[in-house]
Amino acid sequence: KNEVEQSPQNLTAQEGEFITINCSYSVGISALHWLQQHPGGGIVSLFMLSSGKKKHGRLIATINIQEKHSSLHITASHPRDSAVYICAVSVSGNQFYFGTGTSLTVIP
Amino acid sequence: EPEVTQTPSHQVTQMGQEVILRCVPISNHLYFYWYRQILGQKVEFLVSFYNNEISEKSEIFDDQFSVERPDGSNFTLKIRSTKLEDSAMYFCASHRTTGLNYEQYFGPGTRLTVT
Repeated sequence: KNEVEQSPQNLTAQEGEFITINCSYSVGISALHWLQQHPGGGIVSLFMLSSGKKKHGRLIATINIQEKHSSLHITASHPRDSAVYICAVSVSGNQFYFGTGTSLTVIP
Repeated sequence: EPEVTQTPSHQVTQMGQEVILRCVPISNHLYFYWYRQILGQKVEFLVSFYNNEISEKSEIFDDQFSVERPDGSNFTLKIRSTKLEDSAMYFCASHRTTGLNYEQYFGPGTRLTVT
């Protein structure tokens, strides 16, 4: 049983394209997190959302609590954006469920 | 910029041996986590720790696992008798506050190989 589903699993884009990664979840959540995992394995937190929308540079994250859905958008994509993007949800504050990740490759 | 550190970066051990993975969270953080990622699979939550006790743990975190904050700076994960299937990357993470506005900071991970 997957509490968190992401799509697509793999995504290849040309530099400059607008990218959307989707996340759906089936449990009641405290918050939703978007993480970036670099090819070397390191994980960086991008956003933590409980409602609405957040923007950081070229990254935008939205969440619709009623529909249990979140999207991560990357505008003007760049090869350095190539990474695995992971959606995770926190349940009852300190327990987490992770999606399988979306592997993004941006081609120059 | 403060960061979470983990040691060792790679640990090789024989099946049945005990291992201790070490993490030093960011100094003013209050909440600590261990996650694991088996090669090619998704990240999985193991345990969260606050105020010197476990807050939540997953089904993976059975009696073979334990966590400790022995000296106010280190946060350790012990696996008592390792199995082949414990081979994975183990990530430590921490954050400062509770409520609805916190960002987790991840360590670089320890790759555990059980032979």
